[in-house]
Amino acid sequence: AQSVTQLDSQVPVFEEAPVELRCNYSSSVSVYLFWYVQYPNQGLQLLLKYLSGSTLVESINGFEAEFNKSQTSFHLRKPSVHISDTAEYFCAVTHSYGGSQGNLIFGKGTKLSVKP
Amino acid sequence: DTGVSQDPRHKITKRGQNVTFRCDPISEHNRLYWYRQTLGQGPEFLTYFQNEAQLEKSRLLSDRFSAERPKGSFSTLEIQRTEQGDSAMYLCASRRADSVYNEQFFGPGTRLTVL
Repeated sequence: AQSVTQLDSQVPVFEEAPVELRCNYSSSVSVYLFWYVQYPNQGLQLLLKYLSGSTLVESINGFEAEFNKSQTSFHLRKPSVHISDTAEYFCAVTHSYGGSQGNLIFGKGTKLSVKP
Repeated sequence: DTGVSQDPRHKITKRGQNVTFRCDPISEHNRLYWYRQTLGQGPEFLTYFQNEAQLEKSRLLSDRFSAERPKGSFSTLEIQRTEQGDSAMYLCASRRADSVYNEQFFGPGTRLTVL
């Protein structure tokens, strides 16, 4: 069975400071990894994904995540956060083999609060 | 088509009533997923369809929950005899089954409050 652990439920940070949101996963098979962001009263938006290839993936708004197979981690980082990054962030996994049903397994989420 | 839509966005009901939610996926997406998100938790998978076939429903929370996708387009999720514990956000997502990216696109959700 797969599982995802987000180690921090809340992360307060000052504007322009760096941030890291931690995610560890457990799976007996190969997985795809995702970070989704949820703004208040909205659905989930894909932030970035790791499927294969380079272990460092980047989003268009300055976030990046690094897949570490040996540590089964997929931590999300941003070197300088903005007030507008305040949201809840969810790490998710799914099986990578063909024919899988493709449902996502989510962590409990990390609430990022950026203060001026 | 701008994305996945869900209706209603909010539903308040009394315990014991039946409720039905609708999801309209992105038009070329043949896979449709339902998730439930309770306060302080990540979304939890409930069921999914490929076209009109419901391929997994063992994760539905009880026999009070049912879902349909009669023509392989929109889907409905029904909860019968609602309980206060059913209060949650119900999310719908869609994707193409042959997509190598496995990316699911989520709707805005329906927030259910059971009084």
